[in-house]
Amino acid sequence: DAGVTQSPTHLIKTRGQQVTLRCSPISGHKSVSWYQQVLGQGPQFIFQYYEKEERGRGNFPDRFSARQFPNYSSELNVNALLLGDSALYLCASSPWGDEQYFGPGTRLTVT
Amino acid sequence: SQQGEEDPQALSIQEGENATMNCSYKTSINNLQWYRQNSGRGLVHLILIRSNEREKHSGRLRVTLDTSKKSSSLLITASRAADTASYFCATAVNTGFQKLVFGTGTRLLVSP
Repeated sequence: DAGVTQSPTHLIKTRGQQVTLRCSPISGHKSVSWYQQVLGQGPQFIFQYYEKEERGRGNFPDRFSARQFPNYSSELNVNALLLGDSALYLCASSPWGDEQYFGPGTRLTVT
Repeated sequence: SQQGEEDPQALSIQEGENATMNCSYKTSINNLQWYRQNSGRGLVHLILIRSNEREKHSGRLRVTLDTSKKSSSLLITASRAADTASYFCATAVNTGFQKLVFGTGTRLLVSP
């Protein structure tokens, strides 16, 4: 079975630009969560979606937004990129149980 | 913000030795999970222990949970070079939805 997939793997953007990151959950999983991991730290929760509805949001500015599609895939959008947005962005899916299954992440570099 | 703090921040051992990592957290939890991360890539789920459990085993892994002290430990027995990675504890907090709050991680280096 395919695991969680994310695209792209790496991305380089310039300050002020906008970026869209994509995630496909494990088949049958209806919940998708997004996390930001800055170098040297643990992941920080950004969003969780379940059945296309936002269930929770972390302490991130409104520049961060997300959505979930009918096939349960998800996109994370970040506007007006700042240098501090450089991080590994992780997507995790869950069947709405306790365990979350993480994808390989998208490495975003903002210059 | 980070809920958990792992201790030590870094650990260096020889193959065959045991590795113990500790995690402390601040609020009440539904469960606590341990993850492994290789070279800054995706997280691999290792083990989950619920708030009403005190100890759990999975292969070479042993996890304990002390809710009165708000702490957990992960023991890896007979370490191998392939165990070299960063290890994170994550607490599932009761916020009405399933949200994981991660600690700062322990970097484990197992030398042959």
